Amino acid sequence: GAVVSQHPSRVICKSGTSVKIECRSLDFQATTMFWYRQFPKKSLMLMATSNEGSKATYEQGVEKDKFLINHASLTLSTLTVTSAHPEDSSFYICSARDGSKEVDTQYFGPGTRLTVL
Amino acid sequence: TQLLEQSPQFLSIQEGENLTVYCNSSSVFSSLQWYRQEPGEGPVLLVTVVTGGEVKKLKRLTFQFGDARKDSSLHITAAQPGDTGLYLCAGAPKTSYDKVIFGPGTSLSVIP
Repeated sequence: GAVVSQHPSRVICKSGTSVKIECRSLDFQATTMFWYRQFPKKSLMLMATSNEGSKATYEQGVEKDKFLINHASLTLSTLTVTSAHPEDSSFYICSARDGSKEVDTQYFGPGTRLTVL
Repeated sequence: TQLLEQSPQFLSIQEGENLTVYCNSSSVFSSLQWYRQEPGEGPVLLVTVVTGGEVKKLKRLTFQFGDARKDSSLHITAAQPGDTGLYLCAGAPKTSYDKVIFGPGTSLSVIP
Protein backbone atom coordinates (compact mmCIF):
# COMPACT_ATOMS: atom_id res chain seq x y z
CA GLY A 1 0.00 0.00 0.00
CA ALA A 2 0.88 3.64 -0.21
CA VAL A 3 3.40 4.96 2.28
CA VAL A 4 3.32 8.22 4.16
CA SER A 5 6.13 9.16 6.50
CA GLN A 6 6.28 11.64 9.35
CA HIS A 7 9.30 13.15 11.00
CA PRO A 8 10.07 13.32 13.81
CA SER A 9 8.20 10.47 15.44
CA ARG A 10 8.69 11.98 18.88
CA VAL A 11 9.70 15.44 20.02
CA ILE A 12 10.06 17.03 23.40
CA CYS A 13 10.44 20.78 23.56
CA LYS A 14 10.37 23.62 26.03
CA SER A 15 7.41 25.91 26.34
CA GLY A 16 7.67 28.87 23.99
CA THR A 17 9.68 27.15 21.30
CA SER A 18 8.47 26.18 17.83
CA VAL A 19 8.35 22.67 16.45
CA LYS A 20 8.14 21.60 12.81
CA ILE A 21 6.65 18.28 11.76
CA GLU A 22 7.13 16.95 8.23
CA CYS A 23 4.73 14.73 6.32
CA ARG A 24 5.84 13.06 3.10
CA SER A 25 4.05 10.85 0.61
CA LEU A 26 6.74 8.43 -0.52
CA ASP A 27 5.29 6.71 -3.56
CA PHE A 28 2.53 8.94 -4.84
CA GLN A 29 1.80 12.59 -5.40
CA ALA A 30 -0.60 14.14 -2.95
CA THR A 31 -2.29 17.36 -3.97
CA THR A 32 -4.11 17.31 -0.65
CA MET A 33 -2.79 16.45 2.78
CA PHE A 34 -4.59 16.61 6.08
CA TRP A 35 -3.40 17.28 9.61
CA TYR A 36 -5.10 15.68 12.56
CA ARG A 37 -4.71 15.83 16.29
CA GLN A 38 -5.55 12.89 18.50
CA PHE A 39 -6.00 12.80 22.26
CA PRO A 40 -5.54 9.57 24.23
CA LYS A 41 -8.20 6.96 23.45
CA LYS A 42 -10.05 9.43 21.23
CA SER A 43 -10.66 9.62 17.53
CA LEU A 44 -8.86 11.88 15.10
CA MET A 45 -9.75 15.56 15.04
CA LEU A 46 -9.16 17.30 11.72
CA MET A 47 -7.13 20.47 12.17
CA ALA A 48 -6.58 21.63 8.62
CA THR A 49 -6.54 20.68 4.98
CA SER A 50 -3.34 21.41 3.14
CA ASN A 51 -3.45 21.97 -0.61
CA GLU A 52 -0.29 22.10 -2.68
CA GLY A 53 0.48 25.62 -3.80
CA SER A 54 -2.28 27.32 -1.87
CA LYS A 55 -3.19 28.32 1.66
CA ALA A 56 -4.36 25.70 4.07
CA THR A 57 -7.98 25.53 5.15
CA TYR A 58 -8.34 25.43 8.91
CA GLU A 59 -11.15 23.88 10.87
CA GLN A 60 -13.19 26.00 13.24
CA GLY A 61 -11.36 26.64 16.48
CA VAL A 62 -7.89 25.93 15.10
CA GLU A 63 -5.58 28.95 15.23
CA LYS A 64 -3.88 29.37 11.87
CA ASP A 65 -1.18 31.59 13.33
CA LYS A 66 -0.30 28.97 15.89
CA PHE A 67 -0.38 25.95 13.60
CA LEU A 68 1.41 27.01 10.42
CA ILE A 69 0.98 24.70 7.47
CA ASN A 70 3.06 24.74 4.31
CA HIS A 71 2.44 22.39 1.40
CA ALA A 72 5.43 23.25 -0.72
CA SER A 73 5.40 20.28 -3.07
CA LEU A 74 3.24 17.38 -4.13
CA THR A 75 4.98 15.11 -1.66
CA LEU A 76 5.65 17.32 1.36
CA SER A 77 3.56 19.20 3.88
CA THR A 78 4.82 20.68 7.11
CA LEU A 79 3.06 21.64 10.32
CA THR A 80 4.81 24.12 12.59
CA VAL A 81 3.53 24.52 16.12
CA THR A 82 4.60 28.02 17.07
CA SER A 83 5.24 29.15 20.63
CA ALA A 84 4.28 25.73 21.92
CA HIS A 85 2.63 25.35 25.31
CA PRO A 86 1.96 22.25 27.42
CA GLU A 87 -1.64 22.14 26.22
CA ASP A 88 -0.30 21.60 22.68
CA SER A 89 1.10 18.26 23.77
CA SER A 90 -0.65 15.64 21.68
CA PHE A 91 -0.33 13.04 18.96
CA TYR A 92 -0.29 14.72 15.55
CA ILE A 93 -1.07 12.65 12.48
CA CYS A 94 -0.95 13.61 8.85
CA SER A 95 -2.59 11.92 5.92
CA ALA A 96 -2.16 12.23 2.19
CA ARG A 97 -4.83 11.75 -0.38
CA ASP A 98 -4.04 9.63 -3.41
CA GLY A 99 -6.28 11.07 -6.07
CA SER A 100 -4.96 8.76 -8.76
CA LYS A 101 -6.98 5.82 -7.51
CA GLU A 102 -10.50 5.03 -8.67
CA VAL A 103 -11.72 5.94 -5.19
CA ASP A 104 -9.87 8.73 -3.44
CA THR A 105 -8.13 7.22 -0.46
CA GLN A 106 -6.30 8.74 2.45
CA TYR A 107 -3.14 7.13 3.76
CA PHE A 108 -1.89 8.06 7.19
CA GLY A 109 1.54 8.73 8.53
CA PRO A 110 2.75 7.01 11.69
CA GLY A 111 2.15 10.11 13.80
CA THR A 112 4.30 12.47 15.86
CA ARG A 113 4.15 12.54 19.63
CA LEU A 114 4.72 16.10 20.82
CA THR A 115 5.44 16.79 24.46
CA VAL A 116 5.81 20.39 25.58
CA LEU A 117 7.43 20.87 28.95
CA THR B 1 -24.27 18.12 11.27
CA GLN B 2 -22.68 15.22 9.46
CA LEU B 3 -21.62 12.79 12.15
CA LEU B 4 -20.47 9.24 12.13
CA GLU B 5 -21.39 7.20 15.16
CA GLN B 6 -19.78 3.94 16.14
CA SER B 7 -20.93 1.24 18.49
CA PRO B 8 -19.85 -0.18 20.73
CA GLN B 9 -17.18 2.26 21.86
CA PHE B 10 -15.39 -0.37 23.92
CA LEU B 11 -15.36 -4.12 23.50
CA SER B 12 -13.45 -6.76 25.40
CA ILE B 13 -13.81 -10.35 24.26
CA GLN B 14 -12.12 -13.71 24.56
CA GLU B 15 -9.96 -15.11 21.81
CA GLY B 16 -12.05 -17.12 19.36
CA GLU B 17 -15.25 -15.13 19.77
CA ASN B 18 -17.00 -13.28 16.98
CA LEU B 19 -17.88 -9.60 17.07
CA THR B 20 -19.52 -6.87 15.01
CA VAL B 21 -18.79 -3.17 15.06
CA TYR B 22 -21.27 -0.70 13.63
CA CYS B 23 -20.82 2.68 11.96
CA ASN B 24 -23.92 4.80 11.43
CA SER B 25 -24.86 8.20 10.09
CA SER B 26 -27.88 10.14 8.98
CA SER B 27 -25.91 11.34 5.96
CA VAL B 28 -25.19 9.57 2.70
CA PHE B 29 -21.54 8.84 2.01
CA SER B 30 -19.88 8.43 -1.34
CA SER B 31 -17.53 5.93 0.31
CA LEU B 32 -16.61 4.64 3.73
CA GLN B 33 -13.27 3.47 4.98
CA TRP B 34 -12.35 1.30 7.92
CA TYR B 35 -9.03 1.81 9.67
CA ARG B 36 -7.27 0.02 12.49
CA GLN B 37 -4.96 1.92 14.78
CA GLU B 38 -2.56 0.60 17.38
CA PRO B 39 -1.34 2.77 20.27
CA GLY B 40 1.32 5.26 19.22
CA GLU B 41 0.87 4.59 15.52
CA GLY B 42 -1.11 6.05 12.66
CA PRO B 43 -4.31 4.44 11.37
CA VAL B 44 -3.87 1.71 8.78
CA LEU B 45 -6.44 1.41 6.02
CA LEU B 46 -8.29 -1.90 6.04
CA VAL B 47 -10.90 -1.41 3.34
CA THR B 48 -12.90 1.09 1.31
CA VAL B 49 -16.53 0.39 0.45
CA VAL B 50 -18.21 2.35 -2.28
CA THR B 51 -21.34 0.63 -3.56
CA GLY B 52 -24.52 0.34 -1.49
CA GLY B 53 -24.93 -3.23 -0.25
CA GLU B 54 -21.31 -4.04 -1.00
CA VAL B 55 -19.63 -6.79 1.04
CA LYS B 56 -15.87 -7.12 1.21
CA LYS B 57 -13.86 -9.78 2.96
CA LEU B 58 -10.35 -9.49 4.30
CA LYS B 59 -9.39 -12.86 5.82
CA ARG B 60 -11.46 -13.05 9.04
CA LEU B 61 -12.87 -9.54 8.60
CA THR B 62 -16.10 -8.90 6.70
CA PHE B 63 -17.15 -5.37 5.83
CA GLN B 64 -20.57 -4.35 4.65
CA PHE B 65 -21.86 -1.05 3.29
CA GLY B 66 -25.54 -0.36 3.84
CA ASP B 67 -27.88 -0.22 0.88
CA ALA B 68 -28.53 3.47 1.49
CA ARG B 69 -24.81 4.18 2.00
CA LYS B 70 -25.46 5.63 5.44
CA ASP B 71 -24.03 2.84 7.54
CA SER B 72 -21.44 0.11 7.57
CA SER B 73 -20.44 -2.84 9.70
CA LEU B 74 -17.28 -4.74 10.45
CA HIS B 75 -17.55 -8.36 11.52
CA ILE B 76 -14.58 -10.26 12.88
CA THR B 77 -14.72 -14.03 13.03
CA ALA B 78 -12.70 -15.96 15.61
CA ALA B 79 -10.99 -12.90 17.02
CA GLN B 80 -7.31 -13.14 17.87
CA PRO B 81 -5.17 -11.03 20.23
CA GLY B 82 -3.55 -9.47 17.17
CA ASP B 83 -6.92 -7.92 16.30
CA THR B 84 -6.67 -5.69 19.37
CA GLY B 85 -6.74 -2.01 18.47
CA LEU B 86 -8.87 1.03 17.77
CA TYR B 87 -11.17 0.56 14.79
CA LEU B 88 -12.19 3.75 13.05
CA CYS B 89 -14.72 4.25 10.33
CA ALA B 90 -14.35 7.30 8.14
CA GLY B 91 -16.22 8.68 5.22
CA ALA B 92 -16.55 11.47 2.74
CA PRO B 93 -20.12 12.83 2.83
CA LYS B 94 -21.57 13.35 -0.61
CA THR B 95 -21.99 17.02 0.18
CA SER B 96 -18.40 17.51 1.26
CA TYR B 97 -16.11 15.79 -1.21
CA ASP B 98 -12.89 17.11 0.16
CA LYS B 99 -13.33 16.40 3.82
CA VAL B 100 -13.28 12.98 5.41
CA ILE B 101 -14.89 12.71 8.82
CA PHE B 102 -14.11 10.06 11.42
CA GLY B 103 -16.25 8.14 13.82
CA PRO B 104 -15.28 8.12 17.50
CA GLY B 105 -13.74 4.67 17.19
CA THR B 106 -14.28 1.26 18.75
CA SER B 107 -11.57 0.11 21.10
CA LEU B 108 -11.29 -3.67 20.83
CA SER B 109 -9.39 -5.82 23.27
CA VAL B 110 -9.05 -9.54 22.54
CA ILE B 111 -7.98 -11.50 25.58
CA PRO B 112 -5.91 -14.64 25.02
